[in-house]
Amino acid sequence: EDKVVQSPLSLVVHEGDTVTLNCSYEVTNFRSLLWYKQEKKAPTFLFMLTSSGIEKKSGRLSSILDKKELFSILNITATQTGDSAVYLCAVEVLYQGGKLIFGQGTELSVKP
Amino acid sequence: ETGVTQTPRHLVMGMTNKKSLKCEQHLGHNAMYWYKQSAKKPLELMFVYNFKEQTENNSVPSRFSPECPNSSHLFLHLHTLQPEDSALYLCASSQGAGPPGTDTQYFGPGTRLTVL
Repeated sequence: EDKVVQSPLSLVVHEGDTVTLNCSYEVTNFRSLLWYKQEKKAPTFLFMLTSSGIEKKSGRLSSILDKKELFSILNITATQTGDSAVYLCAVEVLYQGGKLIFGQGTELSVKP
Repeated sequence: ETGVTQTPRHLVMGMTNKKSLKCEQHLGHNAMYWYKQSAKKPLELMFVYNFKEQTENNSVPSRFSPECPNSSHLFLHLHTLQPEDSALYLCASSQGAGPPGTDTQYFGPGTRLTVL
């Protein structure tokens, strides 16, 4: 059965800290791995990863994929209170039409 | 056989045409989605319907108009599109449990749209 597992499930840090969120997966017919940020509405897209070892960066956020060990990490440096959200990892699977499987999410809380 | 079907599979239209994309799911799901996928770009969520009610509209131009008459059918009505709207339009459905867009979504094969 295809599955996506994120850890930790929740995390509390202080402003300025660096955090690392983990996502591991077991799927057949992997197409891509996506990271989303969710703040009480439908998720907003952060990164799409398809190749191993190539870091994607956007400001203080970065992410990398390891297709051999089947995991990805999302790093956030110099965290701010506005980074507080649920971070979702999803794996896109090629299966006829396709399937997008979400992990449980990591709830990040950044304290001032 | 996929539980989500889309018609047509390919569509070519001029900028002044009006056309509709159709999606049907046979999975007993309560949530349905429209996504746009442009070349080498990730999925862009356009609309979310949960129990036939539109719960998300991700700043989509009004030339795209969704319709969800029941939980099994979803339409995307197209009017005066632009060439940059050419893309693969994917429909998906999910059980609808939890916050919108977080349970496993099952995709249809997509409609490849070309706007001339």
